[in-house]
Amino acid sequence: AQTVTQSQPEMSVQEAETVTLSCTYDTSESNYYLFWYKQPPSRQMILVIRQEAYKQQNATENRFSVNFQKAAKSFSLKISDSQLGDTAMYFCAFRNTGTASKLTFGTGTRLQVTL
Amino acid sequence: EPEVTQTPSHQVTQMGQEVILRCVPISNHLYFYWYRQILGQKVEFLVSFYNNEISEKSEIFDDQFSVERPDGSNFTLKIRSTKLEDSAMYFCASSELLAGTYEQYFGPGTRLTVT
Repeated sequence: AQTVTQSQPEMSVQEAETVTLSCTYDTSESNYYLFWYKQPPSRQMILVIRQEAYKQQNATENRFSVNFQKAAKSFSLKISDSQLGDTAMYFCAFRNTGTASKLTFGTGTRLQVTL
Repeated sequence: EPEVTQTPSHQVTQMGQEVILRCVPISNHLYFYWYRQILGQKVEFLVSFYNNEISEKSEIFDDQFSVERPDGSNFTLKIRSTKLEDSAMYFCASSELLAGTYEQYFGPGTRLTVT
């Protein structure tokens, strides 16, 4: 079974600074998908970024980028130019390539952006 | 932009009562999921559903739970006899049939409180 580990329960960053959230996972599969979801206080789950394991290039979405290290099974999220609206829980998630495959989530990192 | 909707947003029920949580997936999506999140914990997979059948279910999804697609638009989760430990946020998600990442789009969640 796949597992996802987020070792940083809480992090804090000042506005406009850069922060990196860590995630490691365990799988025996060679192809899969990885995601970062944001959960603001409203508790809505919002997809931030995704990465296909067969792609070597790291995904980027505006101020969000990932550092995907397949051999190390590491998938960190970098948030550049942090904004107050980035304050949220961030969950790393893994999914196999099957069409109806479930998402397996980590325990989350609570990010606080301060002035 | 199409979105997944869920009703009610908050449900309070007494232990032992039956509850039905409702979801309207995005209209052209064919894969449906329920997840739950106990307060302060990670999001956990409950069940996936395709072609009017359960595709996969977790160990949490015991005989007290059932899912149904009663018509062409709704997807429901029923808990027959609620327990205190069923108190959680329940998220519905859907994904489409097209080849690709089968990205799952989440609804805003239903907060279930069992007293």
